Amino acid sequence: NAGVTQTPKFQVLKTGQSMTLQCAQDMNHEYMSWYRQDPGMGLRLIHYSVGAGITDQGEVPNGYNVSRSTTEDFPLRLLSAAPSQTSVYFCASSWTGTANVLTFGAGSRLTVL
Amino acid sequence: DAKTTQPTSMDCAEGRAANLPCNHSTISGNEYVYWYRQIHSQGPQYIIHGLKNNETNEMASLIITEDRKSSTLILPHATLRDTAVYYCIVRALYQGAQKLVFGQGTRLTINP
Repeated sequence: NAGVTQTPKFQVLKTGQSMTLQCAQDMNHEYMSWYRQDPGMGLRLIHYSVGAGITDQGEVPNGYNVSRSTTEDFPLRLLSAAPSQTSVYFCASSWTGTANVLTFGAGSRLTVL
Repeated sequence: DAKTTQPTSMDCAEGRAANLPCNHSTISGNEYVYWYRQIHSQGPQYIIHGLKNNETNEMASLIITEDRKSSTLILPHATLRDTAVYYCIVRALYQGAQKLVFGQGTRLTINP
């Protein structure tokens, strides 16, 4: 039981490049979400999903796309990276029945030059 | 969601009980109090939650006042590994996990 696995742990991009942050969970959780955390700030919700095929926007969705084709995976895509997207990204998941008890991944640190 | 207020930072001696307060004076009857912590550079970790009764698990105890306007997270025997930012969040049980709002939290430092 690996919990929530995020890859890569570190990534450096140039402005305008695209990439996908991967998130996988093996707990059969319905809910999955992506947060970003910037220095001195709390976590801000980017996108979330309540089940396969269903996604919705969070607080800061601009510049990011998501899809949920399976229960296990919830990738976050940066279509054209910008320096403002330099951040640490966390994926989280939970059961429907205990919806506010989130299990977080270890994080992906992204730097956009 | 009800707004929460936490001290910016606290210190505690190793081996002593760490008591972290949280004010949530606008809490609604169906809203629970959740506590998470984030150890440096790691993903946040769920600690405990409760509605109105005191709760205890292997990590901590949660004491909620009778009027539910404030609560205290207690780490009974703090260790250096408990140094982290602690977040108090108030939210209804089925309101949707994906909109949990993590504020600034309390930075707890455990001193040897």
